[in-house]
Formats: sequence, C-alpha cells, structure tokens
Amino acid sequence: EAGVAQSPRYKIIEKRQSVAFWCNPISGHATLYWYQQILGQGPKLLIQFQNNGVVDDSQLPKDRFSAERLKGVDSTLKIQPAKLEDSAVYLCASSLNRRSYEQYFGPGTRLTVT
Amino acid sequence: TQLLEQSPQFLSIQEGENLTVYCNSSSVFSSLQWYRQEPGEGPVLLVTVVTGGEVKKLKRLTFQFGDARKDSSLHITAAQPGDTGLYLCAGGGYNTDKLIFGTGTRLQVFP
Repeated sequence: EAGVAQSPRYKIIEKRQSVAFWCNPISGHATLYWYQQILGQGPKLLIQFQNNGVVDDSQLPKDRFSAERLKGVDSTLKIQPAKLEDSAVYLCASSLNRRSYEQYFGPGTRLTVT
Repeated sequence: TQLLEQSPQFLSIQEGENLTVYCNSSSVFSSLQWYRQEPGEGPVLLVTVVTGGEVKKLKRLTFQFGDARKDSSLHITAAQPGDTGLYLCAGGGYNTDKLIFGTGTRLQVFP
C-alpha cells in the first residue's frame, strides 16, 4: 500500500513570495490533515478535510494560508505572501475516516523563508 | 486550551541503557498515541492506548496510559541506536477527532 505522498520535499523562497504544497493521501482515506511543525516542536493542526469539505480550519491563518481538496482526494496548501515565521515543515496526514485513531503522515515539505 | 508537556525535552544516552519519557496534561483525553519521527520524515504511529491504566508492550517499548487519562509514559529497555528520533505523544479528545501533539522528546542513542 502506497503511503502519503507530498511534494516538493524542500522549498526555499523569499518573504512575500507565494508557495504551494501538494499532498496525495492513502487511497480510500476520507480524512486529510495539514500540520505545521516548527523545528523542535510537535505538529500543529492547520486544517482538516473530510472528503472535500473543511471540518476544522480554526488554526489556519486565513489572511495568508489557503487549502483545498476539490475532488476529495489530492490537496494543496498555499501560502501567499510568505513570512519569515512560516519557515517550518508542512506535514500532510490522512486517516480512513474521522472515527479512526490512526493518522498516517507523509514525509513533509521543509519550507525555508529568507 | 489542551496542552501536552513532554519531559525530558532532550535525552542523550549510551546503547543498552533504559529510559522513560513522560507526557503530561491537565486535560483528560479519550486516547493517547505515541509517534516516532526520524529526520526528514513524518511521524510514524507506534501505539494507541484508549483505556485508563492500560499498558501496552511493543518489543522493548512499554507504553502506559495514566489511570486518570491525563498522562502517559514510554519506557524503552536496552536502547539501541535505531531508537534515535523525536518521540511525540498525541492526545485525542472526546467528541472530536482532532489530535493535540506534545512538545516532543528528542532521543539520541550512541553506540
């Protein structure tokens, strides 16, 4: 079974530029999560999708971050414009459904904003 | 706001030593998970505990969920260099599928 795929793995941009991350969850997983992990800390949930609908985006900085999962499969997370404090690893995770305890994580995208 | 504090934050030990990592909160959780994350990779689930007082063993790793469901511990016996990584606990709340991750414990095991 293929795991959660993310791309790119690394991205370096200057502040005020835009960036987009892509995630392909495990086939059949209805729930998809985007997390932000700052160096040395635990992941913080940004947004959660159930199929193509948003379940929780309470911690997403909506003035600069946006995410979509139009067909209920792949998802993209965008930052526009980026700030220095956005430097972090962006992790995508998926689970079978909202009642599942198990979340499966992708390798993450390491973003550096200079 | 639910918070999970892990201790110690860093741990550096020799191969063969035993260690315990703690995960504490003032909040009650419906479940508690432990993940290990290696550099450049996402967290990988090690175990889920759902019953207060529950103890689970995974080879040299022993996980315990506190009776009050507010804390958990991870004990590693005879640590090996392959155990090196960032250990994260994560709590699941009642009536929500959202996970709250702990602050992390970075373990380094030297040969």
